[in-house]
Amino acid sequence: DTGVSQDPRHKITKRGQNVTFRCDPISEHNRLYWYRQTLGQGPEFLTYFQNEAQLEKSRLLSDRFSAERPKGSFSTLEIQRTEQGDSAMYLCASDRANTGELFFGEGSRLTVL
Amino acid sequence: AQRVTQPEKLLSVFKGAPVELKCNYSYSGSPELFWYVQYSRQRLQLLLRHISRESIKGFTADLNKGETSFHLKKPFAQEEDSAMYYCALRSGGGSQGNLIFGKGTKLSVKP
Repeated sequence: DTGVSQDPRHKITKRGQNVTFRCDPISEHNRLYWYRQTLGQGPEFLTYFQNEAQLEKSRLLSDRFSAERPKGSFSTLEIQRTEQGDSAMYLCASDRANTGELFFGEGSRLTVL
Repeated sequence: AQRVTQPEKLLSVFKGAPVELKCNYSYSGSPELFWYVQYSRQRLQLLLRHISRESIKGFTADLNKGETSFHLKKPFAQEEDSAMYYCALRSGGGSQGNLIFGKGTKLSVKP
């Protein structure tokens, strides 16, 4: 197991387009988190899943954002009608047994032109 | 509101000097606090957590509830300690919630 993987690593899109990011967590981890990070900021929480259930969503997650984890394994984060303010690094993390030790992926960098 | 504050964006020290990265938090309940580190071109990873009361790579951090602080300390900095350091607070009541991160402090250790 190579850890949490995210795809794509980089995405450049035009304003108004939809984008989707995928995260594959560590296989035995039942919790999966999405964070967003912009320059000079720490990771900002977006949402998290326990198995397939989405347990919490941040106010940052507008109605243009949707996340799924249909089978309790991989997750997708979709952004509809992208705006320039959506440009950021989108980080995925997973953990097991609520230890607080999150294992992060390398992130998916989104640039909206 | 739950909040983590790291007042220093950048901390620059010479090799062998002591290091203290400051972290203050705002939380009404009993906090769980963590330090995460991101080395150049690597993923964000856990450095230590307050409940473990452990020393990792020579770093320690003590939770001071009176001062609502969780400062990270190392007596003798090494060049390989250069990285971004993020303090994080677990919200939502014990083990139920997500992590809230500070904005981070970039530590630069000069030879």
